[in-house]
Amino acid sequence: SQTIHQWPATLVQPVGSPLSLECTVEGTSNPNLYWYRQAAGRGLQLLFYSIGIDQISSEVPQNLSASRPQDRQFILSSKKLLLSDSGFYLCAWSVAGDGYTFGSGTRLTVV
Amino acid sequence: LAKTTQPISMDSYEGQEVNITCSHNNIATNDYITWYQQFPSQGPRFIIQGYKTKVTNEVASLFIPADRKSSTLSLPRVSLSDTAVYYCLVGALLDSNYQLIWGAGTKLIIKP
Repeated sequence: SQTIHQWPATLVQPVGSPLSLECTVEGTSNPNLYWYRQAAGRGLQLLFYSIGIDQISSEVPQNLSASRPQDRQFILSSKKLLLSDSGFYLCAWSVAGDGYTFGSGTRLTVV
Repeated sequence: LAKTTQPISMDSYEGQEVNITCSHNNIATNDYITWYQQFPSQGPRFIIQGYKTKVTNEVASLFIPADRKSSTLSLPRVSLSDTAVYYCLVGALLDSNYQLIWGAGTKLIIKP
């Protein structure tokens, strides 16, 4: 069966520090991968999506970047975090025609 | 501007049927309508997906009128554990660009 792993579950980072969130998928090949951000009490904002290795599309200009070094690995990064980067980050995968499967999320607090 | 619109919040009682409607005027011709459920501090979870008319699974029904400009998620007999935020998701065309549009979510509170 397909599973998605996302870590860490919570993270507190100082302003200006780097960030690396990792997401891995098991049980499927060549999935579409996504990073979403959700501010407290708000809806989902698509940040990045990837249709294959090293193929990344950015939806919103921001302080973040994404990479996909392997087929089932998707990484969200930042060189210097801002206070406004705080939020709930969700990784998701999909295969064409099907819905999303989301990870359990990472709650990032930038202090 | 392509967008989906849902009620911000709804209240109901255990055992009642709850209907949540989402409007999506710019839905793409070939795209599906999908609904998700999200509990606090968890990722959204797939509930149901449909293209037109009616779809039913073990947890919900989805009603889609012929023009597909709206959809209604129906939860037949809700319990306290159905308290969550419900999102609709559609694909829409805006200036020939395909976008996935999430609704802002409906916070459903079930009371005993």
